[in-house]
Amino acid sequence: TQLLEQSPQFLSIQEGENLTVYCNSSSVFSSLQWYRQEPGEGPVLLVTVVTGGEVKKLKRLTFQFGDARKDSSLHITAAQPGDTGLYLCARQRPYPNEKLTFGTGTRLTIIP
Amino acid sequence: EPEVTQTPSHQVTQMGQEVILRCVPISNHLYFYWYRQILGQKVEFLVSFYNNEISEKSEIFDDQFSVERPDGSNFTLKIRSTKLEDSAMYFCASSDSGTLLYNEQFFGPGTRLTVL
Repeated sequence: TQLLEQSPQFLSIQEGENLTVYCNSSSVFSSLQWYRQEPGEGPVLLVTVVTGGEVKKLKRLTFQFGDARKDSSLHITAAQPGDTGLYLCARQRPYPNEKLTFGTGTRLTIIP
Repeated sequence: EPEVTQTPSHQVTQMGQEVILRCVPISNHLYFYWYRQILGQKVEFLVSFYNNEISEKSEIFDDQFSVERPDGSNFTLKIRSTKLEDSAMYFCASSDSGTLLYNEQFFGPGTRLTVL
């Protein structure tokens, strides 16, 4: 089983601070997806990264795919209380419509 | 905006009873999935479904589980004889054909199953 390890597991910071969370594996990904999940809801896709070294921005969120495509990071600038949630990374095998394998998750709390 | 819907939002059942969890995927999607999330644990794949048959299933998806697409809109997960350890959030997801490398799966809000 190819595990996706996310760190930190929990993170609690003040509103306005910056933060970075990580998703790591020993194996190469063909693509990696980041999801956000709020309590009582399903995961919502934020972004998909495909190319090694790729950087994608979604407002205050910056996603980076490692050059070797084994790891990824999510950086949030000037965190807001609305950023609170469970952040999940997920991978798929490089075939169409394969299952998602999720990481262990980072539970982020932004304190107003 | 189209979305995946699931009913019921919460199901409480006695151990040994049968439950059916229902999902309405996004209308033009062709690929359907069930995942589950035990409280405090990560989201786990159960089964994928395409063209009226199972594409892949995990080791969790044993003979007690079955899926069905009884009509053009619903996608159901049945657990024949529930066990305490089946208590979890169950998420339905659907997708279109995607690209060669990945597809974007859209998740429903989940059904919380509690087995007593």
